[in-house]
Amino acid sequence: KAGVTQTPRYLIKTRGQQVTLSCSPISGHRSVSWYQQTPGQGLQFLFEYFSETQRNKGNFPGRFSGRQFSNSRSEMNVSTLELGDSALYLCASSLEVGEGNTEAFFGQGTRLTVV
Amino acid sequence: AQSVSQHNHHVILSEAASLELGCNYSYGGTVNLFWYVQYPGQHLQLLLKYFSGDPLVKGIKGFEAEFIKSKFSFNLRKPSVQWSDTAEYFCAVNPFMYNDMRFGAGTRLTVKP
Repeated sequence: KAGVTQTPRYLIKTRGQQVTLSCSPISGHRSVSWYQQTPGQGLQFLFEYFSETQRNKGNFPGRFSGRQFSNSRSEMNVSTLELGDSALYLCASSLEVGEGNTEAFFGQGTRLTVV
Repeated sequence: AQSVSQHNHHVILSEAASLELGCNYSYGGTVNLFWYVQYPGQHLQLLLKYFSGDPLVKGIKGFEAEFIKSKFSFNLRKPSVQWSDTAEYFCAVNPFMYNDMRFGAGTRLTVKP
């Protein structure tokens, strides 16, 4: 069974640009969550999508957005990049293993560097 | 919103020593609890999880964790660590019926051979 696939693995962008990251969940998983991981702030929850709808959102500015397609693949977009957006962006797909119980599986991440 | 606190930022142990990593969370409702591990250069992997039932849960590689509801704690333990356990360990909390997982800051474990 293929795992969570994130593309690209590495990305270098310039301040002010925008970037789109992609995530393909494990087959059959309908929930996709995004996280930002930095040495200073650790793992921070960005948002979660389920059946093409954003269900939960973390405390990030509106420059961070996402979407989910009918095949559960998800993209996240960051506009007007800032140096502080340099981070590892992780995607997780989730399976409901019982009513209300979810288990998340993580991808390798996309390392974004803003220069 | 829920929050997760991990007590130690960096733990250094010798091989065969016992390990206990503390995790406390704040959330008023029912939660699902997890420990994830991130080996150098690898992605986050699930070590163990608690959904309900026996508060002592066993995971992979000899790890176990105990959920103490009254203390809002979910501490990770291993009786005898190995050099290969060198990694970063994250405690995570997910409210029941939601998918809004929050992580602790992580504990870096270094095991000396």
